[in-house]
Amino acid sequence: AQTVTQSQPEMSVQEAETVTLSCTYDTSESDYYLFWYKQPPSRQMILVIRQEAYKQQNATENRFSVNFQKAAKSFSLKISDSQLGDAAMYFCAYRGRMYSGGGADGLTFGKGTHLIIQP
Amino acid sequence: SQTIHQWPATLVQPVGSPLSLECTVEGTSNPNLYWYRQAAGRGLQLLFYSVGIGQISSEVPQNLSASRPQDRQFILSSKKLLLSDSGFYLCAWSVWGGYTFGSGTRLTVV
Repeated sequence: AQTVTQSQPEMSVQEAETVTLSCTYDTSESDYYLFWYKQPPSRQMILVIRQEAYKQQNATENRFSVNFQKAAKSFSLKISDSQLGDAAMYFCAYRGRMYSGGGADGLTFGKGTHLIIQP
Repeated sequence: SQTIHQWPATLVQPVGSPLSLECTVEGTSNPNLYWYRQAAGRGLQLLFYSVGIGQISSEVPQNLSASRPQDRQFILSSKKLLLSDSGFYLCAWSVWGGYTFGSGTRLTVV
């Protein structure tokens, strides 16, 4: 079964600085998707960034970028120029490409990292 | 555009009472639908998923059940709630490569 591990329960960063959130996963599949979701106090799950395993190029979305290391099964999220609005829980998630893993392409989530932005 | 509606936003129910949470999707046909639960301080756990009307699969044994009476309607139910059913419940739908989540229901069983 696939597992997703986020080893940092909480991270703190100064506003305008850069922070990296760690995520590792375990899978026997060669093709899959990886996601980072943001959950602010409103509890709404917001997609931050997505990476397809067959793509070697790291995904980027404005201030958010990932460092995808397939051999190491590592998928870290880098947030540049941190803003107060970035404060939230961040979840790393995995999905197998072809109806595997969590069932009908359901997501497997890590336990999350609570990101605090210091003004 | 595709949207997902989930209600109620908050619910307080006594132990032993029934439960019905509803989720509807607009702007798409034949979506895969999901119910997740998030316990306090933890990640999301997949409870049920559905690939079509009347087709329900359960990921974990529990006191809950799900139904899909229409293509874009997904219902989470319980006949008798337990204290351990408290949590934050999220409905989601997916297209190939992406997911959209509802705004969630905070359930407190007292």
